[in-house]
Amino acid sequence: DAKTTQPNSMESNEEEPVHLPCNHSTISGTDYIHWYRQLPSQGPEYVIHGLTSNVNNRMASLAIAEDRKSSTLILHRATLRDAAVYYCILSRGTSYGKLTFGQGTILTVHP
Amino acid sequence: DAGVIQSPRHEVTEMGQEVTLRCKPISGHDYLFWYRQTMMRGLELLIYFNNNVPIDDSGMPEDRFSAKMPNASFSTLKIQPSEPRDSAVYFCASSLVGTQGQPQHFGDGTRLSIL
Repeated sequence: DAKTTQPNSMESNEEEPVHLPCNHSTISGTDYIHWYRQLPSQGPEYVIHGLTSNVNNRMASLAIAEDRKSSTLILHRATLRDAAVYYCILSRGTSYGKLTFGQGTILTVHP
Repeated sequence: DAGVIQSPRHEVTEMGQEVTLRCKPISGHDYLFWYRQTMMRGLELLIYFNNNVPIDDSGMPEDRFSAKMPNASFSTLKIQPSEPRDSAVYFCASSLVGTQGQPQHFGDGTRLSIL
């Protein structure tokens, strides 16, 4: 399976935008890019996913590079509740449903 | 809407005992997943089902672990006999069949401690 690379940790201030990067240089044409986050003592929570085009939902935006070798999760205005571990995951079309979680990025939000 | 429901939330038991973890997926979801999370290994997929049939159990650590899905609304993960190294948080997740990329919905997990 294609691998993703994320920074171990990032920090942000409340009400500021946050850009969480993810590199996936070996991505294949059928791989979807998923983002999940895990708040302390909770199960992972779906954030957003995409294939080729940028995506927006009520939680965040996903910007996908033109060559698809990297993507960025954008939280437009960070809140204290956004402090979590953020996972960038690729899922292959031939192995539906199989998500391989890496170490993720620990996001700290300062008041 | 009710999410994925797992029970118990916490389980503490002695080494060698049988442990059964339970999961009720979201109604109408066709896929069910069992994950395990530890500090050392992170979040690992153990097994997943489609329409109650196990599709991929390559993540199940050894024969002491077994999982069943007798119907669309219930699944169990059993460890027999349990060992201290099985201590972890076990998550169940479910998702809808459909186009690739359907999100998985996770339960709150079962925190298992084997003494």
